[in-house]
Amino acid sequence: GAVVSQHPSRVICKSGTSVKIECRSLDFQATTMFWYRQFPKQSLMLMATSNEGSKATYEQGVEKDKFLINHASLTLSTLTVTSAHPEDSSFYICSASGGAIYGNTEAFFGQGTRLTVV
Amino acid sequence: DAKTTQPPSMDCAEGRAANLPCNHSTISGNEYVYWYRQIHSQGPQYIIHGLKNNETNEMASLIITEDRKSSTLILPHATLRDTAVYYCIVQDNFNKFYFGSGTKLNVKP
Repeated sequence: GAVVSQHPSRVICKSGTSVKIECRSLDFQATTMFWYRQFPKQSLMLMATSNEGSKATYEQGVEKDKFLINHASLTLSTLTVTSAHPEDSSFYICSASGGAIYGNTEAFFGQGTRLTVV
Repeated sequence: DAKTTQPPSMDCAEGRAANLPCNHSTISGNEYVYWYRQIHSQGPQYIIHGLKNNETNEMASLIITEDRKSSTLILPHATLRDTAVYYCIVQDNFNKFYFGSGTKLNVKP
């Protein structure tokens, strides 16, 4: 399957600072990327959908000013958690979809980023 | 919102077939059923997907009922490394994946 890489895999930051997470599709062009958040012992919760070159669409209840998403190219999307607080500590996962080889619906997931805000 | 319901957990003996059921009674005619699994603290791994026909690949088989209201994922010879949470997902018309609570499969020696 296709490879989606997230960076960093783990990050610890101080409360009030911002953290950027990168999501790259390494061997295909991702027309759409998705960002999820997962709290311990819970399922993945879809936060937002980003299409290359356009603004992200956020799921209900997700603050767009707090979780800034940029999808400037077909291989890179970034999620910035602004003014992070301890309650933002979570496992953040991206997925990428698109590319003629794999069809336009299948999605591949990154390995996730563990964010801890202290 | 997730359109699927799955049992919270299942046990399977190593070497035996694991059959994981999923109900998706509100599925629309052009919506695909996808299966992913997540091993602890990793991103979900794609397993298989289908629309109406049964599908098989090197990892698993997917059996979809004729009315498409339910499906079963079959791991033919489960190993300890197949212990994971398995998610059955109906992809919506905007290509989004909404995860339900999944089934925790415990493969035991």
